[in-house]
Amino acid sequence: SAVISQKPSRDICQRGTSLTIQCQVDSQVTMMFWYRQQPGQSLTLIATANQGSEATYESGFVIDKFPISRPNLTFSTLTVSNMSPEDSSIYLCSVEDLGGGTEAFFGQGTRLTVV
Amino acid sequence: GENVEQHPSTLSVQEGDSAVIKCTYSDSASNYFPWYKQELGKRPQLIIDIRSNVGEKKDQRIAVTLNKTAKHFSLHITETQPEDSAVYFCAAGGGYNKLIFGAGTRLAVHP
Repeated sequence: SAVISQKPSRDICQRGTSLTIQCQVDSQVTMMFWYRQQPGQSLTLIATANQGSEATYESGFVIDKFPISRPNLTFSTLTVSNMSPEDSSIYLCSVEDLGGGTEAFFGQGTRLTVV
Repeated sequence: GENVEQHPSTLSVQEGDSAVIKCTYSDSASNYFPWYKQELGKRPQLIIDIRSNVGEKKDQRIAVTLNKTAKHFSLHITETQPEDSAVYFCAAGGGYNKLIFGAGTRLAVHP
């Protein structure tokens, strides 16, 4: 299984600022995804990070608010822009194993608090 | 798109009893159905998964069943232990497609 390093693990940010979350994988993976988990809730897919092209966003999420980069097959970033308290959540990156399976593994998550 | 419903939202059992969590999905193209366990403050961890070409899979005290015709799958935990207490999520997707998650079941196992 892939080893995923996500950072920062947590942060407290002022409203109106932006935070960039990094996700590094120890092997090349085809698919990388970003999820949001609001307190006590399930995981909601934000977008699919596509290598070399623009991310594919789910309904309710837009590029201006959540710009995503995927410069290669092992790294991706998610930026939470112009933050408000409603953005306080855990953000998780997820990868699918290039080995042909579709097992999805998660990074340890970034706990974001906006004050 | 895919929609996954999960029931119950909370489940309380006595240690040693069995626990069953059920999910239904809407997209007949989905072919991969994982289950995740999430303990408080931790990331979701894959505990078992099943693909559409099998109907049942077992790993020690945990088993998953899949009914493709009815588009539902279930997680079965036998001989529950207090350390099984957590939130469990089902998901559906596969084939390099995104996973869509159920709402989660909070399982409490009482000694």
